[in-house]
Amino acid sequence: RKEVEQDPGPFNVPEGATVAFNCTYSNSASQSFFWYRQDCRKEPKLLMSVYSSGNEDGRFTAQLNRASQYISLLIRDSKLSDSATYLCVVGRFGNEKLTFGTGTRLTIIP
Amino acid sequence: DTGVSQNPRHKITKRGQNVTFRCDPISEHNRLYWYRQTLGQGPEFLTYFQNEAQLEKSRLLSDRFSAERPKGSFSTLEIQRTEQGDSAMYLCASSLAPGQGSDEQYFGPGTRLTVT
Repeated sequence: RKEVEQDPGPFNVPEGATVAFNCTYSNSASQSFFWYRQDCRKEPKLLMSVYSSGNEDGRFTAQLNRASQYISLLIRDSKLSDSATYLCVVGRFGNEKLTFGTGTRLTIIP
Repeated sequence: DTGVSQNPRHKITKRGQNVTFRCDPISEHNRLYWYRQTLGQGPEFLTYFQNEAQLEKSRLLSDRFSAERPKGSFSTLEIQRTEQGDSAMYLCASSLAPGQGSDEQYFGPGTRLTVT
């Protein structure tokens, strides 16, 4: 079983729609949680950290459920520029090793 | 440009040759990480340094792989006797250590290795 599992997609979503991604992680000792975005043939870039209290950044909302070992990302009012691969990432205490999911590919359709 | 830089950006080599990649981290970052990413997968952790000390190596890092960070600044990753299975994007990242500010890992553009 992979340490971080997420639906690889692809998700093809019309512009303006709301899209939700989920992922699960297996290591209950994981301490830090993130969503990264990766554009085609580019490096991953941090989209947002994820906290148990939930956090929101503009159109993006992330949520962590430690009991279920489940992380989610919600994108509202999707834009064409949101097309990318979204990587669910967990880290240990001290964040020295990040474990990535396989990524979920999102395409926003005009 | 003050981001993480990697050289070369692309490398094509024949099976059995040795290759070396370089990573220059963000200057004030004392942690440096190497990851490998193959098509359709997320990056996989290989190793990391805090200053010049290599603190952890993944079991993915076979004895053909060696990484160094001799002066605590740039790092090199060498692959000896390359195999076709080594073909991947090799990503470097850097960060501050915990307690020194944000420990967000910033990634470089990667070196794409193709072994023929």
